Parts: sequence; structure tokens; C-alpha cells
Amino acid sequence: GESVGLHLPTLSVQEGDNSIINCAYSNSASDYFIWYKQESGKGPQFIIDIRSNMDKRQGQRVTVLLNKTVKHLSLQIAATQPGDSAVYFCAEKYGYSGGGADGLTFGKGTHLIIQP
Amino acid sequence: KAGVTQTPRYLIKTRGQQVTLSCSPISGHRSVSWYQQTPGQGLQFLFEYFSETQRNKGNFPGRFSGRQFSNSRSEMNVSTLELGDSALYLCASSLDRDSGYTFGSGTRLTVV
Repeated sequence: GESVGLHLPTLSVQEGDNSIINCAYSNSASDYFIWYKQESGKGPQFIIDIRSNMDKRQGQRVTVLLNKTVKHLSLQIAATQPGDSAVYFCAEKYGYSGGGADGLTFGKGTHLIIQP
Repeated sequence: KAGVTQTPRYLIKTRGQQVTLSCSPISGHRSVSWYQQTPGQGLQFLFEYFSETQRNKGNFPGRFSGRQFSNSRSEMNVSTLELGDSALYLCASSLDRDSGYTFGSGTRLTVV
């Protein structure tokens, strides 16, 4: 079946720099996207979400960009801190606005490493 | 408010046995879904319950089943355990079918 994927398994950035984590999805019917952060020994933690009727959404230090033309999703983290070290997953859901579709489809994840 | 609670946190079982995992959603949340996480396959959707009814099911064998109670608490059961069932099982709850999903910390199942 179709799935969401991430471009890089590992991303290393300097503390204080901005991080950009990318994700490609293949299901053009997907209409809801979420970024999760998972730290070792914990469940995925919600970071930010976006509906398909938007192309950008901002939170605290994070921005999600959605490009439906090329089916691309990205997460930007400003001024990366040591606490941002984790695995980041994108997830998609289709039929969201109408309910009743399958659960979230997750990408493989990108391990963000913060260099001091 | 309390988050999603999963019990137990860790479990070791023998091949052929069965296991039941429990999930208590955030108070007021009516939707509970289950995911399996392994290093090889990543996070995969198992099933989703809403108001005690299974709404969707992922591509897993019939050995995997679940249910939801009237208080929205959910259990999943795996029968005839196989070594490949070793994984982190995650539960997520949402307010309704059109809301975001909050995950618990998971149950780490090891099958020996």
C-alpha cells in the first residue's frame, strides 16, 4: 500500500542552527498530516499538524510546510536545542475530514542529532 | 489532565502464549487506536475503536484483536504469540474521529 517516507534516516545539526526534516508522501488523497517526536523509551509526542487546505502552519519554534503539488511535507525547527534530539516521524491520514478511514500511516523516521 | 496510560510497561511471554494489553485514553476521548512499532517495520496501524465499535483494521493476522469498553478503555489481545510479535505496542486516543492523536508510552512486549 501507499506510505509516507522520510528522506534521511539521520540528520546532524549544530546546536542553535535551524533544522529541516523532510517527508514525501504518495497518497494524494491524504488530507491530514502530523509530525511526531519520539524520545528513547517514550511514545510519539505530537509536535504540530496541518490539514490539506493549508500550506503552512507555525507553532512554537516549529513550522510545517505542505506542498501538495509534489506531495512533500517538511518540519522546520528553529534554534535547535539539545532537547530536540529525538526521532521525528511524519504521519498522514486520508479521509480525515469525513472520518472512517484507516489509521495514521507513518514514515520511517529521521533521527535528529544535535552537535554541541 | 492525565495522558494516555498503557499497562503493563514491559512484558515477557513465551511463544504460543497469549497476551492482553490495556490502554486508558485521556478522559473524554472516545477514539482509541493501536500501533505496533518495530525497528524493521516502523510504526504500523493495528486497529481503531470508536464508541466500542472497531472502525478500521490494519493489515495484521487475526491473532491480533481488540475491544473497547463503555468507558472508552481499550484492550488488545495477541494469541499464539510468535517471536516476530516482539515490539513496542502503542495506544493513541483522540477526542473524536476528526481530532489529533495523543500516544501513550507503550507496552514493550518480548516474546521468547
